[in-house]
Amino acid sequence: DTGVSQNPRHKITKRGQNVTFRCDPISEHNRLYWYRQTLGQGPEFLTYFQNEAQLEKSRLLSDRFSAERPKGSFSTLEIQRTEQGDSAMYLCASSPRDRLIGANVLTFGAGSRLTVL
Amino acid sequence: GIQVEQSPPDLILQEGANSTLRCNFSDSVNNLQWFHQNPWGQLINLFYIPSGTKQNGRLSATTVATERYSLLYISSSQTTDSGVYFCAVVSIGGYQKVTFGIGTKLQVIP
Repeated sequence: DTGVSQNPRHKITKRGQNVTFRCDPISEHNRLYWYRQTLGQGPEFLTYFQNEAQLEKSRLLSDRFSAERPKGSFSTLEIQRTEQGDSAMYLCASSPRDRLIGANVLTFGAGSRLTVL
Repeated sequence: GIQVEQSPPDLILQEGANSTLRCNFSDSVNNLQWFHQNPWGQLINLFYIPSGTKQNGRLSATTVATERYSLLYISSSQTTDSGVYFCAVVSIGGYQKVTFGIGTKLQVIP
């Protein structure tokens, strides 16, 4: 078990470009979350998957953002036509399914830091 | 949605001192977690404590769900305790959306 893995760790891009982040959760975890964190703020919820189903999306997730979790394993978060306001740390977390020990405990990855110039 | 307020926003401690961090939430919850974010940005889960009291070494936490608050106690603080402490909750009926507070930034000085 290597924990939650996120790639890339850092991404610098020009405004208007598309970027994609990948998250590999802990293998036995069926729940996966994406959060965004800006300087001095707490993580803000973006979206949540249970297996391959995207069950909830925040209003923060504009139509330029899309998240997928094909086959219920890794997940990708794509941001199209990036804006300077998208600069943030994008965090992924996973947790086990219901009725397992630690079912509601989130384990976070190290994050992917995006800088939009 | 549920509101999560943490206090104090900033705290500076001398090494060896004790402290109490508070988390107030605006709705009933079935999930409450405390996290520590180290200076490199990694979030580590400290406690899953929707109610009751737990202890882990120098840290302990108490949640009084009926009064909608939780406390995190740090005893004999060390410089490695520095960072930001977050409270995160899931409201009853909030499905699995975990909502974070703004955090308490702790600096422990030698």
